[in-house]
Amino acid sequence: NAGVMQNPRHLVRRRGQEARLRCSPMKGHSHVYWYRQLPEEGLKFMVYLQKENIIDESGMPKERFSAEFPKEGPSILRIQQVVRGDSAAYFCASSPAAGRGDSPLHFGNGTRLTVT
Amino acid sequence: SQQGEEDPQALSIQEGENATMNCSYKTSINNLQWYRQNSGRGLVHLILIRSNEREKHSGRLRVTLDTSKKSSSLLITASRAADTASYFCATDWNGGFKTIFGAGTRLFVKA
Repeated sequence: NAGVMQNPRHLVRRRGQEARLRCSPMKGHSHVYWYRQLPEEGLKFMVYLQKENIIDESGMPKERFSAEFPKEGPSILRIQQVVRGDSAAYFCASSPAAGRGDSPLHFGNGTRLTVT
Repeated sequence: SQQGEEDPQALSIQEGENATMNCSYKTSINNLQWYRQNSGRGLVHLILIRSNEREKHSGRLRVTLDTSKKSSSLLITASRAADTASYFCATDWNGGFKTIFGAGTRLFVKA
């Protein structure tokens, strides 16, 4: 019974390149959240998606960042023209229902993005 | 700004002692959750307490919630070296659908 799978585990990109982070939620989960974590800090909410819909993207930078959760396949967080400040750990979480915070989130082990 | 704020930021105790971490939040909530994160890993859900509950237990964990003060505490009794991790509180934002995390408390349990 696989948990939330994120890949790649580590990703190195040069400034100006694109980064694509993938997240496969737990089986049966149709709600996906993306968070960003800087070293020694908490998780910053980025975006909440349901299948084929973006529900809340209030934490996403307006430029260069986009997210999708297609009907088939994993959720993708895409960062275009990466800059050094994008270096962070990006975590995906899934839940079985749209909770008002009452569905515990199941987290992947994150993708650590390093921009050189 | 973040919804939840934990204190202390870091806590160092001896094995066998109790560890208490506090969390304050800003808006009304439906419930509050506590998570644990080991270094380099994702977060693991520990316990959820609803806004109409005042206290909840799970094994060596005890969580309290005071909605009038907008605060919660997590108590880990008889700590073990394996409890060394970061602990985060998380809430919904104004009863909405996203879960917001605090900055966390880093707990070090010395053997």
